[in-house]
Amino acid sequence: EIVLTQSPVTLSLSPGERATLSCRASQSVSSYLAWYQQKPGQAPRLLIYDTSNRATGIPARFSGSGSGTDFTLTISSLEPEDFAVYYCQQRSNWPCTFGQGTKLEIK
Amino acid sequence: EVQLVESGGGLVQSGGSLRLSCTASGFTFSGYWMTWVRQAPGMGLEWVATMKQDGSEEYYVGSVKGRFTISRDNAKNSLYLQMNSLRVEDTAMYYCARKGGASDIWGQGTMVTVSS
Repeated sequence: EIVLTQSPVTLSLSPGERATLSCRASQSVSSYLAWYQQKPGQAPRLLIYDTSNRATGIPARFSGSGSGTDFTLTISSLEPEDFAVYYCQQRSNWPCTFGQGTKLEIK
Repeated sequence: EVQLVESGGGLVQSGGSLRLSCTASGFTFSGYWMTWVRQAPGMGLEWVATMKQDGSEEYYVGSVKGRFTISRDNAKNSLYLQMNSLRVEDTAMYYCARKGGASDIWGQGTMVTVSS
């Protein structure tokens, strides 16, 4: 099973700042890495698929990069609605696995 | 509108069974892999199971193998999760999602609570 480790666990930033979230895989997942956003009481929302492709309707301030075992989600300038929990997920090998999440909180 | 609606959750005793359902609308259900994901209270997301479009392939997380069975009825646009031998640690919100990974459509979830 591929283990995904996200860092940091919690990120405290202010609106307008740049956020950089990391996801590291225990073995290569090629480019098959996705990112989700989840707000309290809501289902997850797909942000990025296959490392760097924005899902339908996702603003351009969200971008993804990386390959192999190291991946990054960048939010270029934080909006108030971006404060949430973010998860990465790999679909390279079964079972699909999620990272443990990064909570992005308002500083 | 593209939509997934789960049902069938509830309170069950340890060792009991439940069958979850997910009804799809607004897209060609038979054209997609479908997935169940769960989230224990206050915890992160855990992928549970995925089934191929025609039901010919299915995959499970290790902790549910032999206890849970994913199935689908393409004529009814429905996905199912039969959960047997339930344990307290299976307590979670269960989400139905479109695609096997990089799931782009999610339902709102159905809560399963397993009591000891």
